[in-house]
Order: sequence, then structure tokens, then C-alpha cells
Amino acid sequence: SQKIEQNSEALNIQEGKTATLTCNYTNYSPAYLQWYRQDPGRGPVFLLLIRENEKEKRKERLKVTFDTTLKQSLFHITASQPADSATYLCALIKAAGNKLTFGGGTRVLVKP
Amino acid sequence: DGGITQSPKYLFRKEGQNVTLSCEQNLNHDAMYWYRQDPGQGLRLIYYSQIVNDFQKGDIAEGYSVSREKKESFPLTVTSAQKNPTAFYLCASSILQGSPDTQYFGPGTRLTVL
Repeated sequence: SQKIEQNSEALNIQEGKTATLTCNYTNYSPAYLQWYRQDPGRGPVFLLLIRENEKEKRKERLKVTFDTTLKQSLFHITASQPADSATYLCALIKAAGNKLTFGGGTRVLVKP
Repeated sequence: DGGITQSPKYLFRKEGQNVTLSCEQNLNHDAMYWYRQDPGQGLRLIYYSQIVNDFQKGDIAEGYSVSREKKESFPLTVTSAQKNPTAFYLCASSILQGSPDTQYFGPGTRLTVL
């Protein structure tokens, strides 16, 4: 069956360091992969989208990689700040117009 | 001020009662979605609609019903047939054309069954 896995353990990191989150998937051939941020008690907010033919995407301090051979995406927050503390969700989609499938999310806690 | 609104923010229900959660968007988006989120877990799709007067079941539709009579509105009814309805419910919308299915989420409704 199709499966999307994110590390369920919280990631504790010191301010200024780079946080790296993983999203692994099996039995899936996504055309697109998205990353969302969710703060406690609120709805997720879209951060980045990467296509299957793209290796890397950047937005300010965020970087996403997509390796369709390894079936894995990495999400990096460089120069992390306490305000980056949140849960980060990856989501896969087969093609435009199809529904998203979300991973369970990884909580990040940036300590000052 | 464009966006998605959900109401109420908190909802309490007695066992055996149906309740309806509201979701409205003024983004002129074609598609709308309902998700359920349980503590420490990701989002699971309940129902989605890509056009007015049409909707499809998601992964966990049992015990829920929806309607899409207007483009702006996609209410979700949690029926008494839903055995474990206590959860955080999120509504989302997307354009369907252009950037593939970037979804915009509402603030959520937390439903508690007493």
C-alpha cells in the first residue's frame, strides 16, 4: 500500500543551526511534492512545491530536495530561529487536479 | 480580506447528535476539501469537491456527509454514525489550474463529543 513517512520524533535544534527533515514514500510515483508548516491549533500553510523533474528548490532560508530514485525529499531550514518552531508536513500528489496525500508531520523545536 | 473561514472554532456535541461544520472561501477557488487531524497525526481526507453540485469520498468518508450548492461553501456534517468524531477538522481550497493543487487552509474546528 502507499505510504508516506516522516520522523514522528520531534527535532530539537539550537538556534542558528540547520534543521533537516525527511519525507520518505513507498509505492508511490508523485508528480509533485509539497511542504507545509502547521502551528499548534491552526491550519497548515503552504511553503514550497517541487516537481519530479526538479532536484532542488529554495525559498529564503528554506531548501527542498527531491530524489525520485531514493523516493525521498529533504527539507532544510538554515540559520534556524525560534520562530521556525512548528510542525512541518510533506504532501504528495500524482498529478495536477488529484488529491494530496499528507505525511504525519515532524515537529521542530528551535531553542535560543 | 480574502481567505477561508471555518466556524465554529470549538464545537461540543452529545453522542447521537449530528453537527454541521461551516467552511466558506472568497478566493474563487474551484476545489474544496475536508480533512480530519487526530493528535500527533497527519491530515486524512474526508471528502472533496472540484465543482459545484459534485463531490467525492476521500479516505475516511464513513459517518460524514457534505454538500456543494455554492462555489464558496462546503459544509461538513458529522453524523451520529461516525464512531469517533472527536478531532480537529480542517477545510481547504485550491484553484485546480496553475500551481498544482497548492491548498489554502482554514483555521480549523475542534470538535469534542461529550
